[in-house]
Amino acid sequence: GAVVSQHPSWVICKSGTSVKIECRSLDFQATTMFWYRQFPKQSLMLMATSNEGSKATYEQGVEKDKFLINHASLTLSTLTVTSAHPEDSSFYICSARAPGAHYNEQFFGPGTRLTVL
Amino acid sequence: EDQVTQSPEALRLQEGESSSLNCSYTVSGLRGLFWYRQDPGKGPEFLFTLYSAGEEKEKERLKATLTKKESFLHITAPKPEDSATYLCAVQPGSSASKIIFGSGTRLSIRP
Repeated sequence: GAVVSQHPSWVICKSGTSVKIECRSLDFQATTMFWYRQFPKQSLMLMATSNEGSKATYEQGVEKDKFLINHASLTLSTLTVTSAHPEDSSFYICSARAPGAHYNEQFFGPGTRLTVL
Repeated sequence: EDQVTQSPEALRLQEGESSSLNCSYTVSGLRGLFWYRQDPGKGPEFLFTLYSAGEEKEKERLKATLTKKESFLHITAPKPEDSATYLCAVQPGSSASKIIFGSGTRLSIRP
């Protein structure tokens, strides 16, 4: 149980283009999902908290107009990196809070490696 | 400011050589402390949740313990497949959902 998938697992794009990453909870409904980014040999940094049916809450320093988050259903959240630049290249990971979880146990997707040329 | 510090940054052990990883935290109240395992190029895999000082949890060769200031992840007689980065995260009392991650300990087990 509590399986989270991401698509694509990796993507290479040209500078200036937009990229959409999907995060799905496969065997449960997730009212809250989270988006993180991780640079090599560094820990996970929370970008935003995504709540189904409402606007995402972004962490300080994260540009909401650049990283668009949509949580339109209880099993799907998307992150769109708009006008991507090389400095946006990173490992993006989503997570979901499992139903009935004590406090805030989060289950993570496999991650998406974004490379912007 | 809420903070999570893990040590050591990296640890190399011989197969069968037991050791412990440390996670020290400073938070305004603690709702939960979490341990995750992360393999290269993959998302973190949930291991344990600890809620209160004195609590312990075990899974195979891993045992997690919690005090009011820190948590330890004890690994007994590790095998090469235990090689990974181990991440500690805490949920402050002030947070309804957000958790804060430490920088992780990269564990390498030599056969």
